[in-house]
Formats: sequence, C-alpha cells, structure tokens
Amino acid sequence: DSGVTQTPKHLITATGQRVTLRCSPRSGDLSVYWYQQSLDQGLQFLIQYYNGEERAKGNILERFSAQQFPDLHSELNLSSLELGDSALYFCASSVFDKSSNYGYTFGSGTRLTVV
Amino acid sequence: LAKTTQPISMDSYEGQEVNITCSHNNIATNDYITWYQQFPSQGPRFIIQGYKTKVTNEVASLFIPADRKSSTLSLPRVSLSDTAVYYCLVAGSSASKIIFGSGTRLSIRP
Repeated sequence: DSGVTQTPKHLITATGQRVTLRCSPRSGDLSVYWYQQSLDQGLQFLIQYYNGEERAKGNILERFSAQQFPDLHSELNLSSLELGDSALYFCASSVFDKSSNYGYTFGSGTRLTVV
Repeated sequence: LAKTTQPISMDSYEGQEVNITCSHNNIATNDYITWYQQFPSQGPRFIIQGYKTKVTNEVASLFIPADRKSSTLSLPRVSLSDTAVYYCLVAGSSASKIIFGSGTRLSIRP
C-alpha cells in the first residue's frame, strides 16, 4: 500500500457520459498529480494541484477538469466521454509543489473503460 | 525538463545483473536523476534517485558519471519479479511536474 488511495478501481461507462475519479494523497503530502496511461503507452501528465490551487497543466482535454479540496483529496472529472478516453488514470502525491527531486508516490490507478 | 533516451526493451535471465542506461545530454545543474519501476496495471514505484557518482539502496544502484550526461540503473541478481517497465526521469527542484518517457521494458526469463 503506497498510501495514495484511488477510487474506484474499475469503472465502465458509456460514451457521452460523465465520471468522477477520486484520489486521497499520502498523509502529509500537499501536491496531487493526475496522469493518464492508455494501453501500452506511456504516462501522460494531465494536471497538478498544490494545497488546493492548480500549479501545472499538461495535456489535459477541455472535457476534463480537476480540483483539490480543503482536506487535500482531489477529483478528476471526465465528461462527454469517448472511446479513446479508455485508460488507466493514476494519481500521485508529493510533499512539495516542486518536488521532482524527492520523487512521487503513485496510487494503484482507476481503470476506465468507455463502451 | 531534460529529454531522456533509454532502450525500448531489454531481456535477461534470472540471477544476472542488469544494467539499463539512460542518456540525458541536456541535464541542468540542479537536475536530479530518478528511476521508477512500473508493473502492468500498477502505478510507477520510486526505485532510486541520485545527483552524481553512485547511489545504492536495498533494491538497486545508480551510477552517474562526472559529466552527468547519462546514468545507469543496475539491478543485481534479477528475478522473474523484476520484469517491468523502468523509467528514467531527469528534473530539477524548479520543475512542478514529471514527464515520463517511453521507458525500458525489461523481460526476465527463467
């Protein structure tokens, strides 16, 4: 158990629908990062929050949005889902907002299947 | 963020030492080198991090030459359970996000 909790583990939904993925960071970590990993592809950085504020944006579609709440958990909202959105979505956390030299802790991911 | 280049795949056998080299010619002065391991359908796991020379922990060793333009992850006496994708990342304390490359798919055979 890495300490980063992601729910749900699996999600199957239809095209056009909207889903919410949830992430609870490791205790003491203030930053949350979201990544998307499609089948046999690398990890694509989506967005980062630090202590409730957006800090960095990657290749996140306009149909996707995220937020971090006062208790530091984060939610990734995916709307108007398309078949190509099927992927593993990972959340990672770290103590600082600019902590690439300390490493990230990843959760076990949410597998989203759009049918 | 410095671009990294590493082999797409490597094969080895149980009990062997495996060395995976990563090139990062544009590494900046304040950049650290970090390696992650990812098993199928799991999140990446931090393995080791270094700035220069050699770093060793209970899992692996990381060798970084003086010019820091490359680094080598060394896995001693691998087992079947070391079959995974290994990512080399280079970023400094000023970077707020980690960009993962394609990684090296390591396959260990009996």
